[in-house]
Amino acid sequence: AQTVTQSQPEMSVQEAETVTLSCTYDTSESDYYLFWYKQPPSRQMILVIRQEAYKQQNATENRFSVNFQKAAKSFSLKISDSQLGDAAMYFCAYRDGGATNKLIFGTGTLLAVQP
Amino acid sequence: NAGVTQTPKFQVLKTGQSMTLQCAQDMNHEYMSWYRQDPGMGLRLIHYSVGAGITDQGEVPNGYNVSRSTTEDFPLRLLSAAPSQTSVYFCASKKAGTGSTEAFFGQGTRLTVV
Repeated sequence: AQTVTQSQPEMSVQEAETVTLSCTYDTSESDYYLFWYKQPPSRQMILVIRQEAYKQQNATENRFSVNFQKAAKSFSLKISDSQLGDAAMYFCAYRDGGATNKLIFGTGTLLAVQP
Repeated sequence: NAGVTQTPKFQVLKTGQSMTLQCAQDMNHEYMSWYRQDPGMGLRLIHYSVGAGITDQGEVPNGYNVSRSTTEDFPLRLLSAAPSQTSVYFCASKKAGTGSTEAFFGQGTRLTVV
């Protein structure tokens, strides 16, 4: 069975600095997708960034980028120029490339941004 | 754009009571699912549906029932609430098929069973 591991329960970063959140996963599939979701205190789940396993190029979305290491099964999220609004719980998630559509989530990393 | 709408947002139940968490989406998505979120455990899949009339169990289905009579609605029923079902519940929907298409989440329901 596929698993997703986030080994950092909490992280802290100074405003305007850069922080990296770690995620590792385990799968025997070759076709899959990886996601980072942000959950602010409002509870809303917001998609931050996605990565297709077949793409070698790391995904980027403005200040958010990933370091996707397929062989190491690692999928870290880098947040550059951190802002107070980035403070939230961040979840890494995995989905098979088939038609199951099931998301498997990590346990989350709570990010605090210090002014 | 309503997206995925969950009701209620908060609920307190007594042990043994039953209730239904409502979920509706207006995006004509085939795939809908229910997750529960517990501290330190992330989100875990309870039940899911790939279309009207089709449902299946996820990782933690015990104590919950679902049905999918229409594309739009996917209610989650707690037959006899237990304190272990105290959690935050999320409904999500997604266009079916492969690809990295996004799953859309409702605002969540915080359920407390006393």
